[in-house]
Amino acid sequence: QFRLQESGPGLVKLSETLSLTCTVSGGSMNDMYWSWLRQPPGKGLEWLGYIHYSGATNYNSSLKSRITISVDTSKSQFSLHLTSLTAADTAVYFCARGGWSLASWGQGILVTVSS
Amino acid sequence: EIVLTQSPDTLSLSPGERATLSCRASQPIASNYLAWYQQKPGQAPRLLIYDTSKRATDIPDRFSGSGSGTDFTLTISRLEPEDFALYHCQSYGGSPPNTFGQGAKLEIK
Repeated sequence: QFRLQESGPGLVKLSETLSLTCTVSGGSMNDMYWSWLRQPPGKGLEWLGYIHYSGATNYNSSLKSRITISVDTSKSQFSLHLTSLTAADTAVYFCARGGWSLASWGQGILVTVSS
Repeated sequence: EIVLTQSPDTLSLSPGERATLSCRASQPIASNYLAWYQQKPGQAPRLLIYDTSKRATDIPDRFSGSGSGTDFTLTISRLEPEDFALYHCQSYGGSPPNTFGQGAKLEIK
C-alpha cells in the first residue's frame, strides 16, 4: 500500500518561492502519475498539476507561469515549486497518487504565506 | 472549462437515514469520469467512488454513485456515525484535467 508524505516549510514570505517534496513509499513510482493539490482554509480542493514518472507534466492553467513539478524516481520523490507567492497561496498542500482519480494522499502540510 | 456545483451545501441527517448528495456539471462529463471523496477534519480526502459508480478499495457497499452527462449522485444507503464528513466531487480527463466541486458537508441532525 502506497504511503505519501509531504515535507517543506510551513511559513514562507510574500513574493518568495515555495518548495515542497513528497516522498513515496510502499511501491514503485513507475508507470504512474503523481499530483499536487491544495485546499485554502475552509475552502474546497484545487488541483495544481501532475507529473508522469517519465517527467511529463500538466499544470492548472491558472498557475502555469508560476508552477513547476519535478520527479526523482531514484529517491521516490516528486516536488512542487511555486513562485511569486501571495497570501492567496496560503493553504494545506497535498500530494497524491494518480493523475485523474486520486487513490492515495499524503496527510497534507499547511503553508502560510506572510510578510 | 467544467464547473461542478454540489448541492446541498450542508445536509443534516440522523444515523440510519439515507443520504443523497448531488454534483452538477456545467457541461457533460466525458466517459462519466467523475469521482467522490470523503474528507474528515484535519485529514486528507479519501477516494470513495471513481468512474461515476465504481467503489474504491475497501469502501463499504453502503456508498454508491450514479449519474451521467451533467448530473451525478452519491448515495449513502444507511448512515453510520463515521460517515458525517465533507464530501467532494471531481471531474477528470477533460480540460482542465481535474476540477472539484465546492464541497458538501454532511452533518448530524
